[in-house]
Amino acid sequence: EAQVTQNPRYLITVTGKKLTVTCSQNMNHEYMSWYRQDPGLGLRQIYYSMNVEVTDKGDVPEGYKVSRKEKRNFPLILESPSPNQTSLYFCASSLKGGQRVIWEKLFFGSGTQLSVL
Amino acid sequence: AQSVTQLDSQVPVFEEAPVELRCNYSSSVSVYLFWYVQYPNQGLQLLLKYLSGSTLVKGINGFEAEFNKSQTSFHLRKPSVHISDTAEYFCAVSLPSGNTPLVFGKGTRLSVIA
Repeated sequence: EAQVTQNPRYLITVTGKKLTVTCSQNMNHEYMSWYRQDPGLGLRQIYYSMNVEVTDKGDVPEGYKVSRKEKRNFPLILESPSPNQTSLYFCASSLKGGQRVIWEKLFFGSGTQLSVL
Repeated sequence: AQSVTQLDSQVPVFEEAPVELRCNYSSSVSVYLFWYVQYPNQGLQLLLKYLSGSTLVKGINGFEAEFNKSQTSFHLRKPSVHISDTAEYFCAVSLPSGNTPLVFGKGTRLSVIA
């Protein structure tokens, strides 16, 4: 079954304690992305990757890191989490056609609810 | 750069009534338009898309949307809603070419009342 798998589903942590949210896809997609969803703000892109070893900042990258060492995995790293990073996080992946992401093939994970105390 | 405005943050509607969720976009060039649905405790899934061709687009679960270039709108409609349609709906826009992002609206929460 085609899917984007995020772990953990729920995470409660304290300010300053480094954490990693994992994301894995089994569709051989070149493109992967992280979004955060906050009430009244919709989805905002944190980082994205057009292919292995290629990552770029989205709209709200501050306080986050990513890596893309393999095609299937795209972990999100919070080196020193703060309460304003409390949010619902989504990983997504898609195919590419040339340089364009085929948005109509975009798959989302089920989300990670992060609370930073 | 393109942008999307969803005019209503919340829409309550009675079961079996019709519903319209409004979406306006801003772009000086041709666009691709999408509607996504997010059911409680789930990720987003594609409801329907407009890439080109017919301006009336049909999606899953009886939803449809009409692309109106002169009004720069892409409103989502359903003639008769069910309790199971209760969800958050996101409109999104992208450009057909180049490395351009998918820009989401802020979402509309549809609540269907029995």
